[in-house]
Amino acid sequence: QMQLVESGGGVVQPGGSLRLSCAASEPTFGNYAMHWVRQAPDKGLEWLAFTRFDGSIKDYADSVKGRFSISRDNSKRMLYLQMHSLRFEDTGVYHCANDFGFKERPLGYFDNWGQGTLVIVSS
Amino acid sequence: EVVMTQSPATLSVSPGERATLSCRASQSVRSNLVWYQQKPGQAPRLLMYSASTRATGIPARFSGSGSGTEFTLTISSLQSEDFAVYYCQQSDNWPPEGTFGQGTKVEIK
Repeated sequence: QMQLVESGGGVVQPGGSLRLSCAASEPTFGNYAMHWVRQAPDKGLEWLAFTRFDGSIKDYADSVKGRFSISRDNSKRMLYLQMHSLRFEDTGVYHCANDFGFKERPLGYFDNWGQGTLVIVSS
Repeated sequence: EVVMTQSPATLSVSPGERATLSCRASQSVRSNLVWYQQKPGQAPRLLMYSASTRATGIPARFSGSGSGTEFTLTISSLQSEDFAVYYCQQSDNWPPEGTFGQGTKVEIK
């Protein structure tokens, strides 16, 4: 089972930027689409971004489109989320997760999840 | 956008009892329904996919049913480790934006 470990969270002012990272334990990382999912304090789950197994296709929730950018480096088994123009409502725990589907057939639901990294947007 | 509604928001159950959680979709999602379990301070865990298929390592006391717009997650005999928040998610539409329900918290009665 693939282990995922996020890092890079912290406290940032509104309008600031932050880059999150997600390290995968398995060489099979490159076979799976990856996602970022956010959880605001005491709230539910919100999907944010997707990248195809090879990084060739990306998709974003409207709430982050134009501000966040997902990328991956399969040679390093790493997933990233670059966040710009951060807002108060971006506060939350950010999880990376691999898609349950394999390679060209992402299914849009999430198999293994990381524990998450906390982002706090505060002035 | 398909809206997922879970009920109840909180379910109080005694250990050993049966718990029944509901998830309703605003339009048909066929059998493309997923359940997750989340314990405090932990990441969500995939429980069930395709409405009724248990994920790897999930005990048989968890069962899922339904299709179309009405789905149920049943825990036949609650164990102490089952007290958690449960989320449903529809996977019928792409991208997965707005696909989660708001969650049902299963607490000790």
